[in-house]
Amino acid sequence: DAKTTQPTSMDCAEGRAANLPCNHSTISGNEYVYWYRQIHSQGPQYIIHGLKNNETNEMASLIITEDRKSSTLILPHATLRDTAVYYCIENTGTASKLTFGTGTRLQVTL
Amino acid sequence: DSGVTQTPKHLITATGQRVTLRCSPRSGDLSVYWYQQSLDQGLQFLIQYYNGEERAKGNILERFSAQQFPDLHSELNLSSLELGDSALYFCASSVGQGANWWTGELFFGEGSRLTVL
Repeated sequence: DAKTTQPTSMDCAEGRAANLPCNHSTISGNEYVYWYRQIHSQGPQYIIHGLKNNETNEMASLIITEDRKSSTLILPHATLRDTAVYYCIENTGTASKLTFGTGTRLQVTL
Repeated sequence: DSGVTQTPKHLITATGQRVTLRCSPRSGDLSVYWYQQSLDQGLQFLIQYYNGEERAKGNILERFSAQQFPDLHSELNLSSLELGDSALYFCASSVGQGANWWTGELFFGEGSRLTVL
């Protein structure tokens, strides 16, 4: 079962930063936080992952709190194409599967 | 394009029938995962194979079976189909047994949409 907690839905205006929170208060020391997104029935797409340091790539930034109990995915300049369900997942990186929860449905509007 | 190929993209069949879904992983990937996504269930992990061997099993029904062949492609067999089996079936691949540890990435295909009437 998924052990992360995310808001069901969020809205964001196009061009603004989208900040998607995730609580993972029971995360283990060797578990990474992964973010994936799924755009309308397409296959899920990897976004970013981190262990304890903040991470940034061409798609997003990941801010992890010092106690690692929560994190925030930041899409710096959201576009309409970022409308999707965003999943926050704990995983050791060597486990056999990713367990997807219900995610956050992000709606980017004009 | 993730590099993972799934066929067929759409499939309509009747209750009681049997279907086979096929997945070709990314070149070089050894692990294949199958997920089911129905409207009311979200993404559910079914089963994982690594280099031809079953490595993890999730909520896969006994009516469902899978295998990974020597060329690393995988097939998911669904039999005695019921209305509730209507769903999107996703295949994903990665190099190792888990997500690629250096990127944390599973590469998902575009899915096979199964409709059981």
